[in-house]
Amino acid sequence: DIQLTQSPSFLSASVGERVTITCRASQGIRSYLAWYQQKPGKAPKLLIYDASTLQSGVPSRFSGSESGTEFTLTISSLQPEDFATYYCQQLITYPLIFGGGTKVEIK
Amino acid sequence: QLQLQESGPGLVKPSETLSLTCTVSGSSIRANNYYWGWIRQPPGEGLEWIGNIFYTGSTYYSPSLERRVTISADMSKNQFSLKLNSVTAADTAVYYCAGRGATRGGSFDPWGQGTLVTVSS
Repeated sequence: DIQLTQSPSFLSASVGERVTITCRASQGIRSYLAWYQQKPGKAPKLLIYDASTLQSGVPSRFSGSESGTEFTLTISSLQPEDFATYYCQQLITYPLIFGGGTKVEIK
Repeated sequence: QLQLQESGPGLVKPSETLSLTCTVSGSSIRANNYYWGWIRQPPGEGLEWIGNIFYTGSTYYSPSLERRVTISADMSKNQFSLKLNSVTAADTAVYYCAGRGATRGGSFDPWGQGTLVTVSS
């Protein structure tokens, strides 16, 4: 099975800060990676698919990139509504593994 | 607009079978551009993919659960279902159903709101 290592598992940041979350795959997954945002008590929400394509309606401060088996979610200027937990997921092969999550909290 | 809604018992006894249904609106589950899936999240933990079903009836399951899980579809009701047998406390989780599109890189969107299932006697 493909494993995803997401880091950090927790980060504390201030409004306006640039935030970067990394997801490393244990083997090549091409661009078959999605990022989700989950707020407490809510279902996950798709942010980015195909590693770097922004889902419709998602603010442009969110972006995704890839370099080999390392994928990055960047929030260019953290907003109050962005405090949440973020998950990556590989979609190239079954089982469709999720990363362990990154909780972004207010500093 | 595609929407999904989970339903089923919120409490299941150990060793019994957990049964949930997802009702799809805004699209037919016969649509050949969607897989229909289940994902769960134990309290305070991360997301775990359980399995998918395609309109042809093809199913794909997590290896860690495949001995206990069955996903099926009822085309007439536009619903798909999850059965997980021989449950233990470790199966206590919020269970989500979701659509997995052939577009958008096969990502899961949309999701149902989720339903908490507690395994306890």
